Amino acid sequence: AQSVTQLGSHVSVSEGALVLLRCNYSSSVPPYLFWYVQYPNQGLQLLLKYTSAATLVKGINGFEAEFKKSETSFHLTKPSAHMRDAAEYFCAVSDNYGQNFVFGPGTRLSVLP
Amino acid sequence: EAGVAQSPRYKIIEKRQSVAFWCNPISGHATLYWYQQILGQGPKLLIQFQNNGVVDDSQLPKDRFSAERLKGVDSTLKIQPAKLEDSAVYLCASRHSTGEQYFGPGTRLTVT
Repeated sequence: AQSVTQLGSHVSVSEGALVLLRCNYSSSVPPYLFWYVQYPNQGLQLLLKYTSAATLVKGINGFEAEFKKSETSFHLTKPSAHMRDAAEYFCAVSDNYGQNFVFGPGTRLSVLP
Repeated sequence: EAGVAQSPRYKIIEKRQSVAFWCNPISGHATLYWYQQILGQGPKLLIQFQNNGVVDDSQLPKDRFSAERLKGVDSTLKIQPAKLEDSAVYLCASRHSTGEQYFGPGTRLTVT
């Protein structure tokens, strides 16, 4: 069975600083990995996904994530935070048939002026 | 391309009442999911449909929750009777053939 942990329920960064949101997964099969963002009172929006191609994945809004099999990690980064990046971020894992889709608990990102 | 539609957006009911939520997925998406998201937590899968058949409903509290997807398109999720702990956002998602899910805006349910 798949599972996801996200270290840090709340991360604060200054505007212009590096954003690093951590995600570690557990999967008995080669995983598909996803990062989603959720703004207040909205549904989840896909930022990026890993589906066994390139290990460095680029997404929308300047975010990227690197799949590291040896560390079972899929951390999300952005070189320079903007105020509009303040939101809740969820890491998710599934098998390659889209089954067993599991979300992590989420990390709330605050961006300070 | 139209996104996943959900209604209503907000609902307030008293405990022991019943409520229903509606979802219209993205056209052509065969797989549809219902999630429950309690405040401060990640979404938890309630039920997954493939066309009009149930693939996974292992986490659906079947004594009070039910869902259907007639004709393999729209879906409804029903709670009867509601409990206080059912207060949450109910998210519907549909899955593209390349694996990612697309989410609707959700229905925020408050049970008083």
